[in-house]
Amino acid sequence: GQNIDQPTEMTATEGAIVQINCTYQTSGFNGLFWYQQHAGEAPTFLSYNVLDGLEEKGRFSSFLSRSKGYSYLLLKELQMKDSASYLCAVRAPNDMRFGAGTRLTVKP
Amino acid sequence: EPEVTQTPSHQVTQMGQEVILRCVPISNHLYFYWYRQILGQKVEFLVSFYNNEISEKSEIFDDQFSVERPDGSNFTLKIRSTKLEDSAMYFCASSEDSQQSAEQFFGPGTRLTVL
Repeated sequence: GQNIDQPTEMTATEGAIVQINCTYQTSGFNGLFWYQQHAGEAPTFLSYNVLDGLEEKGRFSSFLSRSKGYSYLLLKELQMKDSASYLCAVRAPNDMRFGAGTRLTVKP
Repeated sequence: EPEVTQTPSHQVTQMGQEVILRCVPISNHLYFYWYRQILGQKVEFLVSFYNNEISEKSEIFDDQFSVERPDGSNFTLKIRSTKLEDSAMYFCASSEDSQQSAEQFFGPGTRLTVL
């Protein structure tokens, strides 16, 4: 079957680092995206990985291991505004399959 | 900053009625997408569109759905005979190119409620 799994909820403290994991099993793989979605709003693009390794973009980094079907999103220097859902999505032929999202709560 | 817009923000309809959801993609973008998100559930891909034809569609996008670019700016999703389970937030997205890595910009969504 096709699965994208991520933790349902995480909590972290302002200023800290948090890692959100995603594992996937899909028919075909053309890259993995991370999106941020605030409640009641549209998803916004954070990162894209298609090759193994780490992609860094400011406070956000994303890692991919294709052999393990595994990715993570790393958020550094957490801010209160980072409280949101983080969606892992895999691009496959004729599909862009999303995980259910990880709801991150940042506490003072 | 250019953005994708969608109208209406909320549409209420009776089961069996047809609805048309409208989107205006970013003006220089060529690739367009529709997604839906049932309340509390995952975002689901419906269809992608380029050069006036469907590029990809998921198993959800059955015969009751259709898409159209009726003019140079609008991109529409039509649901022919709505069902209760079509109630969801529908997001339109656009991207500048078709590369797999291309960032898709999402509109604010239309909340469809089928009674």
